[in-house]
Amino acid sequence: GAVVSQHPSRVICKSGTSVKIECRSLDFQATTMFWYRQFPKQSLMLMATSNEGSKATYEQGVEKDKFLINHASLTLSTLTVTSAHPEDSSFYICSARLHWGNEKLFFGSGTQLSVL
Amino acid sequence: GENVEQHPSTLSVQEGDSAVIKCTYSDSASNYFPWYKQELGKRPQLIIDIRSNVGEKKDQRIAVTLNKTAKHFSLHITETQPEDSAVYFCAASSALRNQGGKLIFGQGTELSVKP
Repeated sequence: GAVVSQHPSRVICKSGTSVKIECRSLDFQATTMFWYRQFPKQSLMLMATSNEGSKATYEQGVEKDKFLINHASLTLSTLTVTSAHPEDSSFYICSARLHWGNEKLFFGSGTQLSVL
Repeated sequence: GENVEQHPSTLSVQEGDSAVIKCTYSDSASNYFPWYKQELGKRPQLIIDIRSNVGEKKDQRIAVTLNKTAKHFSLHITETQPEDSAVYFCAASSALRNQGGKLIFGQGTELSVKP
């Protein structure tokens, strides 16, 4: 149980276009999901906390207008990278928690974004 | 907010030797400390975790120790095997609602086990 599905696994896009990444909890309802970004040979950096039915909470330094997060249902959160640029190329990975009080996170398989 | 420091950044050991990775955290409210193994291009895999009410936990060749007073925790891998080679991350989070349950990661340790 506790499977998190993330799509697409890899995307290549042109500079200036927008890319949407989906994160789904397949067998549980996730009131909270987290989005991370990971550059090559670096750590996972938390971008934002996505709460179902409310606005996402962004970490300091993350542009909320560039990285749009929507968590409209208990099983789906999306991250849209708007007007992507080469410096946005990175590995994006989502995670979800079963419920408040259960600290364990379940990770999606990640999305490798390459912006040309 | 929470800050997690991890050392060393790279670690090379001979097969059969032990490996130790150390982390420190800054927020005394943190109470959950997982360790992840990540292979290139893959999702992090939870290998062991410990909560603040426990000082040590062991699972076969893997053990984690926690010193709440000093705010540091360590991963110990015994009898290392080549398949243990990967990047290992420590992390910390707080169950407090005003902390949002965020999991903050250390910088990672690239472990290489030489046959």
